[in-house]
Amino acid sequence: TQLLEQSPQFLSIQEGENLTVYCNSSSVFSSLQWYRQEPGEGPVLLVTVVTGGEVKKLKRLTFQFGDARKDSSLHITAAQPGDTGLYLCAGDRSGNQFYFGTGTSLTVIP
Amino acid sequence: EAGVTQSPTHLIKTRGQQATLRCSPISGHTSVYWYQQALGLGLQFLLWYDEGEERNRGNFPPRFSGRQFPNYSSELNVNALELEDSALYLCASILQGTLSGNTIYFGEGSWLTVV
Repeated sequence: TQLLEQSPQFLSIQEGENLTVYCNSSSVFSSLQWYRQEPGEGPVLLVTVVTGGEVKKLKRLTFQFGDARKDSSLHITAAQPGDTGLYLCAGDRSGNQFYFGTGTSLTVIP
Repeated sequence: EAGVTQSPTHLIKTRGQQATLRCSPISGHTSVYWYQQALGLGLQFLLWYDEGEERNRGNFPPRFSGRQFPNYSSELNVNALELEDSALYLCASILQGTLSGNTIYFGEGSWLTVV
């Protein structure tokens, strides 16, 4: 059973559109991270959220941590082809137990 | 500051052989994680080492093993290679934060191809 479920699994959109990726769990996490991975490379950290209800912005990317620290969302405004990649969420439970989501593969079509 | 480094970048082995992959964590990080990512799939947790000890292992057979050295670098050994072991093997080290939370940093990965 996957501790963190991401949706959608695949997403293909036109350049300029907005999108939201969800990361859900029934478990509480101390913190949650979002990563982007390009083919053949390791995941690169985008953001870490720690406080329930926290919202962080990174240019066109907005990350939100749920109030109960069980879920998170990633919203991309005006998507660009450079946003294409696999987006992974990862939750940290106490004791350095990291759990990864199933991943969302995003394709932005020019 | 150097990130997590892995070697080799690519490795091709024959079924039944052994493969050894190496990882150096970020300076000051004592924990090393190993993950397997088969093509098109998510990350599957393999092993976690901290302070030279194996702390946890994922649902993989015993032919997947490893160790962590006194300088916190680590190696992953895969014995009796099978075709389905072909994957990207990712190493990561952890930065323990207080206010910012624990964060895991990945290397570029080692591609293992079993033929």
